[in-house]
Amino acid sequence: SAVISQKPSRDICQRGTSLTIQCQVDSQVTMMFWYRQQPGQSLTLIATANQGSEATYESGFVIDKFPISRPNLTFSTLTVSNMSPEDSSIYLCSVVGGSGGDDYEQFFGPGTRLTVL
Amino acid sequence: GQNIDQPTEMTATEGAIVQINCTYQTSGFNGLFWYQQHAGEAPTFLSYNVLDGLEEKGRFSSFLSRSKGYSYLLLKELQMKDSASYLCAVLDSNYQLIWGAGTKLIIKP
Repeated sequence: SAVISQKPSRDICQRGTSLTIQCQVDSQVTMMFWYRQQPGQSLTLIATANQGSEATYESGFVIDKFPISRPNLTFSTLTVSNMSPEDSSIYLCSVVGGSGGDDYEQFFGPGTRLTVL
Repeated sequence: GQNIDQPTEMTATEGAIVQINCTYQTSGFNGLFWYQQHAGEAPTFLSYNVLDGLEEKGRFSSFLSRSKGYSYLLLKELQMKDSASYLCAVLDSNYQLIWGAGTKLIIKP
């Protein structure tokens, strides 16, 4: 399995500011994802974080708003830029596989609860 | 379009059995997952089905019928700690996970 940590666990931010969320995995993983989950809703995939190249964004999400870095196989960051109250959500880092994990198992970090005032 | 349907909410009694259904229409199929998510926490993996039939894991079982685009998660001997949302997700032909909205399961004593 993969153990994933995220920082910060929660934050309250002002409109117009930016927040960078960090995701650290305890083993090298090929695939890392960033999800958003709004209260009472299911998971929405923001992007796939690719090591050594630009992230692959889903429809409705753009790099200028959600820049992603993936400098190595165990770490990624997601920045929520120029925040508005609509960005208030839980942001989840996720990986597939990991040390001893099956190829199809997807593990999630504990999430970052973001509130934008 | 791609679609996953599951009931929004279900209620069951402690010690009983509950079945949570999931139907899907996706472009291709590379497996179906069930996840459990307690309020305020991240989802945790429960099961993976890629072939038709029943997979049993302790108190939890998951069933798949690919021809019907249908799966269910069966929870036996319900405990209060089983109160959570249960998410159905399908891996499509592009190996992208398509998520259902989740079923909130309420367990009553």
